[in-house]
Amino acid sequence: KAGVTQTPRYLIKTRGQQVTLSCSPISGHRSVSWYQQTPGQGLQFLFEYFSETQRNKGNFPGRFSGRQFSNSRSEMNVSTLELGDSALYLCASSPEGDSSNQPQHFGDGTRLSIL
Amino acid sequence: GESVGLHLPTLSVQEGDNSIINCAYSNSASDYFIWYKQESGKGPQFIIDIRSNMDKRQGQRVTVLLNKTVKHLSLQIAATQPGDSAVYFCAEISGGSYIPTFGRGTSLIVHP
Repeated sequence: KAGVTQTPRYLIKTRGQQVTLSCSPISGHRSVSWYQQTPGQGLQFLFEYFSETQRNKGNFPGRFSGRQFSNSRSEMNVSTLELGDSALYLCASSPEGDSSNQPQHFGDGTRLSIL
Repeated sequence: GESVGLHLPTLSVQEGDNSIINCAYSNSASDYFIWYKQESGKGPQFIIDIRSNMDKRQGQRVTVLLNKTVKHLSLQIAATQPGDSAVYFCAEISGGSYIPTFGRGTSLIVHP
């Protein structure tokens, strides 16, 4: 069974631009979560989608948004990019979204660099 | 690849030694715990999990111990190998929550 796939692996953008990152979960997994990972802040939760609905949201500004499609694939979008948005963006999936019973499985992330 | 985190606690061991990585969790209502391993340039990889009704669980070369009294979790790696070099994260989830809370991580360096 293929793992979580994130594209692209690397991106370079400039301040003010916007970016869209893509995540294909493990086949059969319906919950997709997004995290931002930086050396200073560690792993920070962005949002979680289940059945095309945002079910949970972290403490990030509205410039960060996402969506989930009927095939469970998900995208996240960051608008008006800032230097501080440089990070590794990780996607994780789980079967039913009940993380109290099942671990999330992560992709290898998209490394976003803002110039 | 780039390092996952700077200024992380670091554990240096010799190949063949046993390693113990510790994690203090914050929420006494947490009832499910996970250890992840993250190698340079990759995403976190699930290692082992444990529920709060257990205090020990063993996998292949790994053992997780849970002490709910002091809210402490540990990961023991037997006969540590160079391939075990990575950053290790613990995660805690409280009942009814869909979102794990991750620790800051510990960098394990295994010297041949």
